Amino acid sequence: KAGVTQTPRYLIKTRGQQVTLSCSPISGHRSVSWYQQTPGQGLQFLFEYFSETQRNKGNFPGRFSGRQFSNSRSEMNVSTLELGDSALYLCASSGPGTGHTSPLHFGNGTRLTVT
Amino acid sequence: QKEVEQNSGPLSVPEGAIASLNCTYSDRGSQSFFWYRQYSGKSPELIMFIYSNGDKEDGRFTAQLNKASQYVSLLIRDSQPSDSATYLCAVKTSSNTGKLIFGQGTTLQVKP
Repeated sequence: KAGVTQTPRYLIKTRGQQVTLSCSPISGHRSVSWYQQTPGQGLQFLFEYFSETQRNKGNFPGRFSGRQFSNSRSEMNVSTLELGDSALYLCASSGPGTGHTSPLHFGNGTRLTVT
Repeated sequence: QKEVEQNSGPLSVPEGAIASLNCTYSDRGSQSFFWYRQYSGKSPELIMFIYSNGDKEDGRFTAQLNKASQYVSLLIRDSQPSDSATYLCAVKTSSNTGKLIFGQGTTLQVKP
């Protein structure tokens, strides 16, 4: 089975621009979660989508948004980029169930650098 | 108080020894507990997870959970230099969610 696929792997953007990251979950997984990882804050939960609906949301500003398509693929968007948005953005999928015994499997991440 | 706490390390052990990694959590209602390994510049890789009190073994790895003490640990037997990485403890506080709360991670160094 193919793993979680994230594109692109690397991005360099300028302050004020916006960016869209893409994630294809493991086949059969319906839950897709997004995380931000920085050296100072560690891994922080952004949001989760399940069956095209946002099910959970972390404590990030509204500049961070996402969506999920009918094939479970997901995108996250960051608008008006700030220098502090530079991070590794990780997508994780779980399934087919989403109970407490369903682990998350992470993609390789997208390294975003904002200059 | 942080929700999930780990000693940042580094924890240094000689090759062949047992490495013991510890994690405490604050939410008593937490449902399940995960250990991820992350090599520098890579994404987290699931090692194992546990949700019942006691021990769970998988090869050289043993996860231990004590819900009364709000404590979870990971033992790595016969440590190898290739085990050198950051180990992340993560907690799922409720069912039907993809939200995990991560500790800051413990850096493990296995010296040949």
